Amino acid sequence: DSGVTQTPKHLITATGQRVTLRCSPRSGDLSVYWYQQSLDQGLQFLIHYYNGEERAKGNILERFSAQQFPDLHSELNLSSLELGDSALYFCASSVESGRYNEQFFGPGTRLTVL
Amino acid sequence: SQKIEQNSEALNIQEGKTATLTCNYTNYSPAYLQWYRQDPGRGPVFLLLIRENEKEKRKERLKVTFDTTLKQSLFHITASQPADSATYLCALDPGAGNNRKLIWGLGTSLAVNP
Repeated sequence: DSGVTQTPKHLITATGQRVTLRCSPRSGDLSVYWYQQSLDQGLQFLIHYYNGEERAKGNILERFSAQQFPDLHSELNLSSLELGDSALYFCASSVESGRYNEQFFGPGTRLTVL
Repeated sequence: SQKIEQNSEALNIQEGKTATLTCNYTNYSPAYLQWYRQDPGRGPVFLLLIRENEKEKRKERLKVTFDTTLKQSLFHITASQPADSATYLCALDPGAGNNRKLIWGLGTSLAVNP
């Protein structure tokens, strides 16, 4: 158990809908990262928050947005969903945003768009 | 262009042998490189980190080398066991100016046969 929690574990929805994925980092970790992993694809970095502020953006679509709240939990909002958005979504946390930080991953949310 | 590459073909070895996985990168000067293990449907788990000024790092049956001249890291599992079967990911910190965003390889699948 990494100490990172994600809800829900599974989500099935239809195209055009909007969903919210939630992540609670390990106690004391200030950084939260979001990743997408599709079948047969590697981890695609989406976005990084540190202590409530956006630090880096990766290949995140405009239909996707995220935020980190004062209690450090984070939410990833996916809207106007398409079939291609079906994937595993992971969040990870680390102590800080600096060097040499290992990331602790949550169990993931499996999103299926029908 | 900048890239990070891992063996795309699955590696099959016999129990007890040493598994060696490769991570090559181009056009980066990473401050450090990390290795993770990922089991199907689960989040990656951190294994080892090696810094740019380190040649080798060990942890139990695991060994990582880092050759900044060859732009390569090797990950070794000695006395391999069927329980070591998983996908192994390398990730690097590309250096200053990238907001500490890790760059991930696609991973190499390892199968250890009893």
